[in-house]
Amino acid sequence: GNSVTQMEGPVTLSEEAFLTINCTYTATGYPSLFWYVQYPGEGLQLLLKATKADDKGSNKGFEATYRKETTSFHLEKGSVQVSDSAVYFCALRGNSNTGKLIFGQGTTLQVKP
Amino acid sequence: GAVVSQHPSRVICKSGTSVKIECRSLDFQATTMFWYRQFPKKSLMLMATSNEGSKATYEQGVEKDKFLINHASLTLSTLTVTSAHPEDSSFYICSAPRPRDSSNYGYTFGSGTRLTVV
Repeated sequence: GNSVTQMEGPVTLSEEAFLTINCTYTATGYPSLFWYVQYPGEGLQLLLKATKADDKGSNKGFEATYRKETTSFHLEKGSVQVSDSAVYFCALRGNSNTGKLIFGQGTTLQVKP
Repeated sequence: GAVVSQHPSRVICKSGTSVKIECRSLDFQATTMFWYRQFPKKSLMLMATSNEGSKATYEQGVEKDKFLINHASLTLSTLTVTSAHPEDSSFYICSAPRPRDSSNYGYTFGSGTRLTVV
């Protein structure tokens, strides 16, 4: 079945450091891929998405490229801020019509001033 | 747009009682609602998918009789945890697909319900 694996956290960085959170997936066909962010005390928010191979999703300085050859969708940001501290979830939606999302285990990011 | 309102945000109940969690789509019609459970420091696990006017589809290992899901209308889906026990304590989140004509097509999530069973 479909699955998503994220790097273990927590990740602790200093402000302005470069961020990478690895995400790999297992799926049949051509899934859509997402990154969601959950700020403390809040619900999940869509950060970015990519629906086909080689697509790059981007938002708020974050980027992720859909790599079918390596089944990856790593999240990157060139310079993190304290306000980026949150839990980040990689997710996929298979190409069946059920529409359900499969989430990775989440990676906690803590950015220190 | 495409907001899902989830209530209550936090509930504490006694063991053996039942708790109802509501998710309402405020500005769109949600024909489908996904219900997730999030354990501390772990991912969201899909529990079930509810569809307006039909029975919910439960994921493997989820007890249908314990987690009753009702999708009474195009704007309301409910999850009732029946005869709750401490092991049911968790964070429950609902999610609905955004309308296809939305510029942010994807999913919208409720803010979650923290259930504590004592």
